[in-house]
Amino acid sequence: NAGVMQNPRHLVRRRGQEARLRCSPMKGHSHVYWYRQLPEEGLKFMVYLQKENIIDESGMPKERFSAEFPKEGPSILRIQQVVRGDSAAYFCASSPGTNSGNTIYFGEGSWLTVV
Amino acid sequence: KQEVTQIPAALSVPEGENLVLNCSFTDSAIYNLQWFRQDPGKGLTSLLLIQSSQREQTSGRLNASLDKSSGRSTLYIAASQPGDSATYLCAPQGGSEKLVFGKGTKLTVNP
Repeated sequence: NAGVMQNPRHLVRRRGQEARLRCSPMKGHSHVYWYRQLPEEGLKFMVYLQKENIIDESGMPKERFSAEFPKEGPSILRIQQVVRGDSAAYFCASSPGTNSGNTIYFGEGSWLTVV
Repeated sequence: KQEVTQIPAALSVPEGENLVLNCSFTDSAIYNLQWFRQDPGKGLTSLLLIQSSQREQTSGRLNASLDKSSGRSTLYIAASQPGDSATYLCAPQGGSEKLVFGKGTKLTVNP
């Protein structure tokens, strides 16, 4: 059973370009979460999705950031017109559902560098 | 709003020592609490999950306790090894499903 898969692992973008980060949850998991880790800071929640639905996007910046989790395929975190401050590690996590006993599993992260 | 504090921020110990990492959180209305380790440049590895109805969980040399009413959790590592060197993160999970992270404790175990 493969873990949470994220790609690309490392991504370099010039200011103004778009970044697309992909996440395939663990098999059987229908809940996906995205977190961001800025340099020297803790992980911050961005968005929580279930298949075809955004459940909580309270941590998403209001502009340039969007996320989806389509019926088929991976979850996508999209950052438009990237700026240097977007440079961070973006982590995806998944769980099988809403149960207090469910462990949330994290991927290896996607490291975005904006030059 | 949940806030998580981890003390100490960094810890350096000789190999073989037993140690305790502390985590405190402000909102006791949680479903569970997870402890993770993060190696440099890597993702998070789940170590232990304690449900809100539980007092502690054990896995090998690791033991985590939870005192929900006082908003505290501790991670006890027995007989530490150099391979335990990493940043340890605690994250309570509330009804909104999201985990709230502290800044972690960076542990260095010296051979």
